[in-house]
Amino acid sequence: EIVMTQSPATLSVSPGERATLSCRASQSVSSNLAWYQQKPGQAPRLLIYGASTRATGIPARFSGSGSGTEFTLTISSLQSEDFAVYYCQQYNNWPPKYTFGQGTKLEIK
Amino acid sequence: QVQLVESGGGLVKPGGSLRLSCAASGFTFSDYYMSWIRQAPGKGLEWVSYISSSSSYTNYADSVKGRFTISRDNAKNSLYLQMNSLRAEDTAVYYCARAVGNLGRPNWFDPWGQGTLVTVSS
Repeated sequence: EIVMTQSPATLSVSPGERATLSCRASQSVSSNLAWYQQKPGQAPRLLIYGASTRATGIPARFSGSGSGTEFTLTISSLQSEDFAVYYCQQYNNWPPKYTFGQGTKLEIK
Repeated sequence: QVQLVESGGGLVKPGGSLRLSCAASGFTFSDYYMSWIRQAPGKGLEWVSYISSSSSYTNYADSVKGRFTISRDNAKNSLYLQMNSLRAEDTAVYYCARAVGNLGRPNWFDPWGQGTLVTVSS
């Protein structure tokens, strides 16, 4: 099983600043990585797929990068609505055995 | 708009059974793989199962294999999860999600339903 590890567990950032979240895979997943945002009491929402492609309707301040085992989600200028938990998910296997990271909580500093 | 609505959650005793449903609308349900993903209280996300568009292929997480069965009814635009031999560790919010990706592969999940809570407790 591919293990996904996110860091840090909690990130405190001020509104307007940049946030950088990391996700590491236990073995290469190429660019087969997605990012999700989850706000309290809500379902997760797809942000990024293919490691760097924004999903429909996702603002340009969200960007993804990386390949292989190291990935980054960057939020360029934090808005109040961006404070949430973020998860990465790999989909490299076939047939799929999806795995998620444990999440990074982005909180207001 | 694309919408997924889960139902069927509730309180069940260890060893009991429960059947979850997910009603889909706003897209051609029969064209897509579908999946169940769960989230234990205060915890992260765990993929549970997926089913291909025509029900030809299914797959399960090791933690539920042999106890859970995924199915679908394309005529009713509905996805199901039959859960048997439930354990306390199955307590979670269960989300249904459309699995999408390049070349029709079920790679990522978009959108997700609002979830239904399953509590396994005596």
